[in-house]
Amino acid sequence: GAVVSQHPSWVICKSGTSVKIECRSLDFQATTMFWYRQFPKQSLMLMATSNEGSKATYEQGVEKDKFLINHASLTLSTLTVTSAHPEDSSFYICSAREGGLAADTQYFGPGTRLTVL
Amino acid sequence: AQKVTQAQTEISVVEKEDVTLDCVYETRDTTYYLFWYKQPPSGELVFLIRRNSFDEQNEISGRYSWNFQKSTSSFNFTITASQVVDSAVYFCALSEKTGRRALTFGSGTRLQVQP
Repeated sequence: GAVVSQHPSWVICKSGTSVKIECRSLDFQATTMFWYRQFPKQSLMLMATSNEGSKATYEQGVEKDKFLINHASLTLSTLTVTSAHPEDSSFYICSAREGGLAADTQYFGPGTRLTVL
Repeated sequence: AQKVTQAQTEISVVEKEDVTLDCVYETRDTTYYLFWYKQPPSGELVFLIRRNSFDEQNEISGRYSWNFQKSTSSFNFTITASQVVDSAVYFCALSEKTGRRALTFGSGTRLQVQP
């Protein structure tokens, strides 16, 4: 149980295009999902908290117009990197928090490696 | 503000050696959770353990064990008889028990187990 998927697993795009990354909780409902960014050989930095049916909460320094987050259902959150530039190249990882007794444990997706040319 | 420190950037051991990964945390919360995650080269974070702040019992799961000491704000992770498959980056993390319950990660410790 507690499986989180991400799609795509990797994407290469041209500068100026937009890229959408999907995060799905496959076998549980997640009222809260999180989006992280990880640079090579560094730790995970929280970008935003995504709550189903409401606006995402962004961390300080994260541009909300640049990184659009939509949490349309209890099993799906999307991150759209708008007008991507090379500096947006990174490893993006989502996590979902399961309900019930394990409500405070985040399970992570496999990540999406974004390369902007 | 919460902070997690993993002072060991990289550790290299030979297979079958025991290894301990250190984690020290700071928080003003009286109740909180501590976690360990493993990130193998594939990149996916694998959940290993969650510990509640009021539960200081040590835990053992196979070759893995965890030592939580509230007095020193430490939550160390020991791998006994390490194996090559244990090679990965290990992250210690802390979360509040209320509100967003977002994770604050340490910088990670890269463990290399040589055959």
